[in-house]
Amino acid sequence: KNEVEQSPQNLTAQEGEFITINCSYSVGISALHWLQQHPGGGIVSLFMLSSGKKKHGRLIATINIQEKHSSLHITASHPRDSAVYICAVDNAGGTSYGKLTFGQGTILTVHP
Amino acid sequence: DTAVSQTPKYLVTQMGNDKSIKCEQNLGHDTMYWYKQDSKKFLKIMFSYNNKELIINETVPNRFSPKSPDKAHLNLHINSLELGDSAVYFCASSQGVSGELFFGEGSRLTVL
Repeated sequence: KNEVEQSPQNLTAQEGEFITINCSYSVGISALHWLQQHPGGGIVSLFMLSSGKKKHGRLIATINIQEKHSSLHITASHPRDSAVYICAVDNAGGTSYGKLTFGQGTILTVHP
Repeated sequence: DTAVSQTPKYLVTQMGNDKSIKCEQNLGHDTMYWYKQDSKKFLKIMFSYNNKELIINETVPNRFSPKSPDKAHLNLHINSLELGDSAVYFCASSQGVSGELFFGEGSRLTVL
């Protein structure tokens, strides 16, 4: 079992739908990252969070440290949101800071 | 003005050759990384440098040698290339070992 599990692996939605992508992890962490990778290949950091909730435009990320779980929500989805969304955890402690462990990614396709 | 730039973007070479990928960041960050993304799009950390010092060295074959001449540059040299080295290699940087990550566009290496 991977240390970081994302669900679903594939997600198809219609434009305008509310989308949720989940990330569960099994190790202690200092922070969790949500990344976006477009079909062109580039990777962009969406959020880095260690507690609570963050919002940026139509994107919302939440984390529950006790339950070792994070969610990424997209409101009013749009075809340009189609991408791979990757969860990564920064393992806590000592020299492991900065060593990210990645989930397998969630492929999101939003149809017009 | 690209924040994290990698060259070359595409590299096709024969088995047994030696090749280098260069990375430069103009963000003033003190930490730089190399990640490998395999054919299944799974990302894995290879190396991390903080203030030109190696802080993370995952179980990477010693054919891979990173070099950081200064805080703004982290180059990756690969000796005796093998078929399994074919992947996309991403450079990234952050301020501090647990800061938000900024990625380069990736360098697609194909070993024939």
